[in-house]
Amino acid sequence: GAVVSQHPSWVICKSGTSVKIECRSLDFQATTMFWYRQFPKQSLMLMATSNEGSKATYEQGVEKDKFLINHASLTLSTLTVTSAHPEDSSFYICSAPRTSEGEQFFGPGTRLTVL
Amino acid sequence: GENVEQHPSTLSVQEGDSAVIKCTYSDSASNYFPWYKQELGKRPQLIIDIRSNVGEKKDQRIAVTLNKTAKHFSLHITETQPEDSAVYFCAAILSGGYQKVTFGTGTKLQVIP
Repeated sequence: GAVVSQHPSWVICKSGTSVKIECRSLDFQATTMFWYRQFPKQSLMLMATSNEGSKATYEQGVEKDKFLINHASLTLSTLTVTSAHPEDSSFYICSAPRTSEGEQFFGPGTRLTVL
Repeated sequence: GENVEQHPSTLSVQEGDSAVIKCTYSDSASNYFPWYKQELGKRPQLIIDIRSNVGEKKDQRIAVTLNKTAKHFSLHITETQPEDSAVYFCAAILSGGYQKVTFGTGTKLQVIP
């Protein structure tokens, strides 16, 4: 199956700093990647769709200036949480489809803790 | 946009019994319905999926049924085992163009030995 990696797997930062999370498709090219946020005991909520070579599409209620997404290559998308606050602490997961059939391949997730 | 509802939110069964989780979706254009198992702190793991041109699919102890007319689909786990304990999510996707996944709210399944 297709492999998607994320880095880092966990990060602790101080309030007000920025954190960058990387999502890589290791053995396939992904023109589209999705970023989700998952709070404890809740479902995965789509934050944005990352499109290679163009601007990301953000879901309603997600601040595009706070959650910066860059999809500079066919194998890498990055999510930067700017001016992080404790309420941004969450589990961030990316996914990418390898084909148009719909099946998603998920990264292992990044646990962000903002102090 | 798509909206997926999932019930129940928690489910406890005795080992060996069956478990059923139900989902409904709103967008009749959705045509791909995966089920994921997620353990704490881990990524969702695809356990079974079904496409809109199929009414039922089975893989050993796991089966999924789809009723397109009613826009609902269900996960059936038979002969449950303690290792089946996890959170299960249904999802609905409009495939054919890298469409996003809309997840259900999740069901925490506990299998009691």
